Amino acid sequence: KAGVTQTPRYLIKTRGQQVTLSCSPISGHRSVSWYQQTPGQGLQFLFEYFSETQRNKGNFPGRFSGRQFSNSRSEMNVSTLELGDSALYLCASSLGYRGATDTQYFGPGTRLTVL
Amino acid sequence: DAKTTQPTSMDCAEGRAANLPCNHSTISGNEYVYWYRQIHSQGPQYIIHGLKNNETNEMASLIITEDRKSSTLILPHATLRDTAVYYCTPSAGNTPLVFGKGTRLSVIA
Repeated sequence: KAGVTQTPRYLIKTRGQQVTLSCSPISGHRSVSWYQQTPGQGLQFLFEYFSETQRNKGNFPGRFSGRQFSNSRSEMNVSTLELGDSALYLCASSLGYRGATDTQYFGPGTRLTVL
Repeated sequence: DAKTTQPTSMDCAEGRAANLPCNHSTISGNEYVYWYRQIHSQGPQYIIHGLKNNETNEMASLIITEDRKSSTLILPHATLRDTAVYYCTPSAGNTPLVFGKGTRLSVIA
């Protein structure tokens, strides 16, 4: 079974631009979570989507948004990029049921550099 | 707030068992102990999880103390490809994961 895929793998943008990242979950998984990972802050939760609805949200500004499609694929968008948005953006998929054994599986990440 | 305490770094000789400890004294009754590893800026890789019984899969074994306040991940025969940062985290499944600083394991030939 194919794993979580993320595109693009690397991205360079300049301040003020916007960016869209894509995530395809493992087949059969209905939940997609997005995380930001930086050396200083570590892994931080952005938001989770399940059945095309945002089910949970972390503490990030409104410049960060996401959506999920009917096939469970998800995109996240960052508008008005800032230098501090440079990070590894990770997508994790899971089956989506509310159970303690619903394991999240991560994709390879998108490395975003903002100049 | 840190939910776990792990050694900053550990070394292990290739072919030997690597034992990685984790303290999670504030774990809730409905939380499992999950272990992930991350190899140099790749996405974290799921390893194993458990509630209170010891668990084993093709990658590793997990030993959880009876009071559930700590656990040990065991890689039975470490290889150079096991060099990574290892994270343990309590999780109630499909809830936001919180990683601490993790343990940087270096497997030495």
